[in-house]
Amino acid sequence: EIVMTQSPATLSVSPGERATLSCRASQSVSSNLAWYQQKPGQAPRLLIYGASTRATGIPARFSGSGSGTEFTLTISSLQSEDFAVYYCQQYNNWWTFGQGTKVEIK
Amino acid sequence: QVQLVQSGAEVKKPGSSVKVSCKASGGTFSSYAISWVRQAPGQGLEWMGRIIPILGIANYAQKFQGRVTITADKSTSTAYMELSSLRSEDTAVYYCARAAAGILQHWGQGTLVTVSS
Repeated sequence: EIVMTQSPATLSVSPGERATLSCRASQSVSSNLAWYQQKPGQAPRLLIYGASTRATGIPARFSGSGSGTEFTLTISSLQSEDFAVYYCQQYNNWWTFGQGTKVEIK
Repeated sequence: QVQLVQSGAEVKKPGSSVKVSCKASGGTFSSYAISWVRQAPGQGLEWMGRIIPILGIANYAQKFQGRVTITADKSTSTAYMELSSLRSEDTAVYYCARAAAGILQHWGQGTLVTVSS
């Protein structure tokens, strides 16, 4: 099983600032990497797939990069609605998720 | 637009089974895989398995092999996830999600399953 490791576990950021979230795979997943956002009491929402392609309706302030084993999700200027938990997920070999990064208000 | 509507919350005794449904509307049901993902209270997301309705083939995460059964009824565009031999650690919200090329694009609202004596 491919293990996905996210860092940090919690990220404290002020509104308007940039947030950078990391995700590492235990073996190469090529570009078969997605990012999801989850707010309390809601289902996850797809943000990014193919490591860097924004899903339909996702604002341009969200961007993804990386390939192989190292990936990054960047939120360029945090809005109030962006404070949530973010999960990376590989779909190169079945599916596994990272443990999540909580983005909280500083 | 694609919508996945899941069945309601369940309370089950340890050792029993639960069957959660996921009804799809919009799009072509049979052509896409339906995955099941669970989330224990305060925890992360865990993939359980998936089915491709047009093939009727299901695949399961090793952790759940032998305890989970995923089926699909093409006539009603509904997928089902049955988990047996329930224990307290199975208390979680269970989600279905439609997958295209491995990407979980559309999610159901979640079903809370509580296992308690």
